[in-house]
Amino acid sequence: SQQGEEDPQALSIQEGENATMNCSYKTSINNLQWYRQNSGRGLVHLILIRSNEREKHSGRLRVTLDTSKKSSSLLITASRAADTASYFCATDNNTDKLIFGTGTRLQVFP
Amino acid sequence: EAQVTQNPRYLITVTGKKLTVTCSQNMNHEYMSWYRQDPGLGLRQIYYSMNVEVTDKGDVPEGYKVSRKEKRNFPLILESPSPNQTSLYFCASRRQGAYEQYFGPGTRLTVT
Repeated sequence: SQQGEEDPQALSIQEGENATMNCSYKTSINNLQWYRQNSGRGLVHLILIRSNEREKHSGRLRVTLDTSKKSSSLLITASRAADTASYFCATDNNTDKLIFGTGTRLQVFP
Repeated sequence: EAQVTQNPRYLITVTGKKLTVTCSQNMNHEYMSWYRQDPGLGLRQIYYSMNVEVTDKGDVPEGYKVSRKEKRNFPLILESPSPNQTSLYFCASRRQGAYEQYFGPGTRLTVT
């Protein structure tokens, strides 16, 4: 079952601009994670936000969570060409399963 | 170096020929999982294991088998592969009680 859906599906920006990706999910969650995937490679964990948190920061990453709207956003500030990748949200609703969204493909042009 | 390894990385095979994709982690993680990734569908969980000898179905288990005889290894078995199992497969692990999963580099499987 697909839990999360990212929006937009694809995003192209210039270096230095901010990139915002959104994730919507369907059921109540324990926490929400964001992962990054370089083309054809394994996913790498970026950040986790718990259901009782509203905002979290890690370096150039800022994640927000709105449980009333069942949505989250990932903001990458001052983007770099090296940020080019696909970004996935993943929800954990305490069932030992992590359910991934369909991803946003981010392209950052130098 | 802490890592999850998968072998092979690339595999082309024919319908019906049994194959095994190996997964190994060196972090002493209790939890291991297999996902498949298809365009437009994101990652879908195939099977997962909470510990040795404990496995459970994910969202798309049909056509796959797994075993967990040792803590570090979690092989994925396709007894009779079919073309609809052509996909990119990822193994992942995490420590019990933690949330962050560590992913392997992926295995690209093509079944003709």
